[in-house]
Amino acid sequence: NAGVTQTPKFQVLKTGQSMTLQCAQDMNHNSMYWYRQDPGMGLRLIYYSASEGTTDKGEVPNGYNVSRLNKREFSLRLESAAPSQTSVYFCASTRGSTGELFFGEGSRLTVL
Amino acid sequence: AQTVTQSQPEMSVQEAETVTLSCTYDTSESDYYLFWYKQPPSRQMILVIRQEAYKQQNATENRFSVNFQKAAKSFSLKISDSQLGDAAMYFCAYRSGGSARQLTFGSGTQLTVLP
Repeated sequence: NAGVTQTPKFQVLKTGQSMTLQCAQDMNHNSMYWYRQDPGMGLRLIYYSASEGTTDKGEVPNGYNVSRLNKREFSLRLESAAPSQTSVYFCASTRGSTGELFFGEGSRLTVL
Repeated sequence: AQTVTQSQPEMSVQEAETVTLSCTYDTSESDYYLFWYKQPPSRQMILVIRQEAYKQQNATENRFSVNFQKAAKSFSLKISDSQLGDAAMYFCAYRSGGSARQLTFGSGTQLTVLP
């Protein structure tokens, strides 16, 4: 079972470059999320999509954009990467009825 | 906004012993869910245990159990008979009963299991 799949797993960018993190889930979940994880700060919500066709800002949305392409896919875009965006990014999804989030394996992004 | 606090950045336990990880949260809601997630060095986030706020009975999953004190807004995780494979970062998380259902995480507790 694939679950939640994120690509790429690792990426190094230079300041000002752009990139898109891809996420896909095969569990027919309605809601999807993007979190970032920084040392000592747990996971912080960047954006989420409660259902196909909707997106909302989370706690730390500045510098990011998202697209809910269809029910399966939710991408995160950095238009002009900054060193402060060096982090590990997690995509997650939930069925909704229990609240349990299923996570991808994470993507480590380094911005030089 | 809800906040989740884990006041123990690091904990250690001897193999086969019991350890308790602390978590407190702040909310004005009555309908919510609480979770403990485990993150081993592989980075994968793994659900350990879940508690519904409306349930008075504490959740248990094999060697893992919680002490849910709703009035005190406390949600601690007890790991019994600790094993080397329990070594990981543990995150406490809160989820509102509302429709958006995003999780709010604590800052984590790094658990070391000593042989």
